[in-house]
Amino acid sequence: GAVVSQHPSRVICKSGTSVKIECRSLDFQATTMFWYRQFPKQSLMLMATSNEGSKATYEQGVEKDKFLINHASLTLSTLTVTSAHPEDSSFYICSATDSAPIGYTFGSGTRLTVV
Amino acid sequence: GENVEQHPSTLSVQEGDSAVIKCTYSDSASNYFPWYKQELGKRPQLIIDIRSNVGEKKDQRIAVTLNKTAKHFSLHITETQPEDSAVYFCAATPGGTSYGKLTFGQGTILTVHP
Repeated sequence: GAVVSQHPSRVICKSGTSVKIECRSLDFQATTMFWYRQFPKQSLMLMATSNEGSKATYEQGVEKDKFLINHASLTLSTLTVTSAHPEDSSFYICSATDSAPIGYTFGSGTRLTVV
Repeated sequence: GENVEQHPSTLSVQEGDSAVIKCTYSDSASNYFPWYKQELGKRPQLIIDIRSNVGEKKDQRIAVTLNKTAKHFSLHITETQPEDSAVYFCAATPGGTSYGKLTFGQGTILTVHP
């Protein structure tokens, strides 16, 4: 079946630094990748949608200059949290889909802790 | 945009009982409705899904029903087992330019007591 690899699984960084999270589709071409954030005991909230070779579309309230998304190829999307602050601490998870039929494959998630 | 409401937020049942979780959606153009099971710290796992041209789908102990007119869909788990304990999320995909973007419900914490 479709596999999406997400790295790192856990990261601790100092406040003010940047963190990059990678999401790779291993055995299919992901035309679209989605980035979600999940706070403890809450639902998955979509942050942005990225399509290969084009700029990401951010959801309302998500700062595009803080959460940089790059989808340079059909198998790789990255999310960079810039100038991280403790309130950015969360579980970040990507999801990839191909064009048809609809199927969403989730990465394993990244637990970000900003200290 | 799409809005998905999920109830109940917590559900506690005895092993062997049935569990039902309900979701409503707002966008009549939504056409794909998956259900996910998520364990603590893990990725959501698809357990069943349904498309708008189908009213019901069943996979062993799990079933999903869809009422397009009322814009609601439900997850039914029969003969629950302790390993069914997890957080369950419904989701919906709207059509049009937002095709493919999943909107999740708030989640239901299911606890199955032995």
